[in-house]
Amino acid sequence: DAKTTQPPSMDCAEGRAANLPCNHSTISGNEYVYWYRQIHSQGPQYIIHGLKNNETNEMASLIITEDRKSSTLILPHATLRDTAVYYCIVRVAFGKVIFGPGTSLSVIP
Amino acid sequence: SAVISQKPSRDICQRGTSLTIQCQVDSQVTMMFWYRQQPGQSLTLIATANQGSEATYESGFVIDKFPISRPNLTFSTLTVSNMSPEDSSIYLCSVETNQETQYFGPGTRLLVL
Repeated sequence: DAKTTQPPSMDCAEGRAANLPCNHSTISGNEYVYWYRQIHSQGPQYIIHGLKNNETNEMASLIITEDRKSSTLILPHATLRDTAVYYCIVRVAFGKVIFGPGTSLSVIP
Repeated sequence: SAVISQKPSRDICQRGTSLTIQCQVDSQVTMMFWYRQQPGQSLTLIATANQGSEATYESGFVIDKFPISRPNLTFSTLTVSNMSPEDSSIYLCSVETNQETQYFGPGTRLLVL
C-alpha cells in the first residue's frame, strides 16, 4: 500500500502558484519523498525528490516539514499544461515505487 | 535522465492471444520494472525485470501470465498471455538510474476484445 495521503483533487487558477500537499506520517529516516505527474495517460514524469532539505528545480519546489511527516509540491506559476495527476511517493533509494491514487490538479483559465 | 521507448505504442488484440511488449532504454541500467495501469486507476507494479535471472513478481502477478525477459542492460520484454478483456490496460516500463530516480516509458495501450 502507498505510504502517502493526498487530496483526491484540487483546482488552481492559471498563473497562480499550485500548492499540492502530501502526508507521510510513517516515513522512515532513510526514505525519500518523490513527486511524479501523469498527464492524461502518458507515462509518469519525474518532477523532484528530497530527503529532508527543501529542493528546487526548473519545474517545481519541494518543501518538507522539519519532522518530515508532510510535504508540499509547489508549481510557482501554473499553466494549463500542468493539469495532471500528481503522485507523492516515499521510498528508500533504489526501492520500489508504489503509487497511490494521487491528486488530480485542474488548472483553470 | 533516461530515454525510454516502448513498442507497440498501442494494440487491439483478440481474447486468448498473447502480446509481447518491448522496452528499450538509451543507456545501461541495473533495474527495470513493469507496471500496469487499468482504466481510471493508478499504476500497479507487476514485476522487477532482473538481468540474468528470473523476474521478481509482485503479489497477484504470476510468471505464466506475464512472462518477462531481460537479455541485457538496455532491453526487456513483457508478454501478456492468454489475454482477456480484463487485461485491457496501459503497460509501462520504468528504469532506475544511478541518480536514485525512476523514469518511465510512454506506455503501451492494450485493448482486448
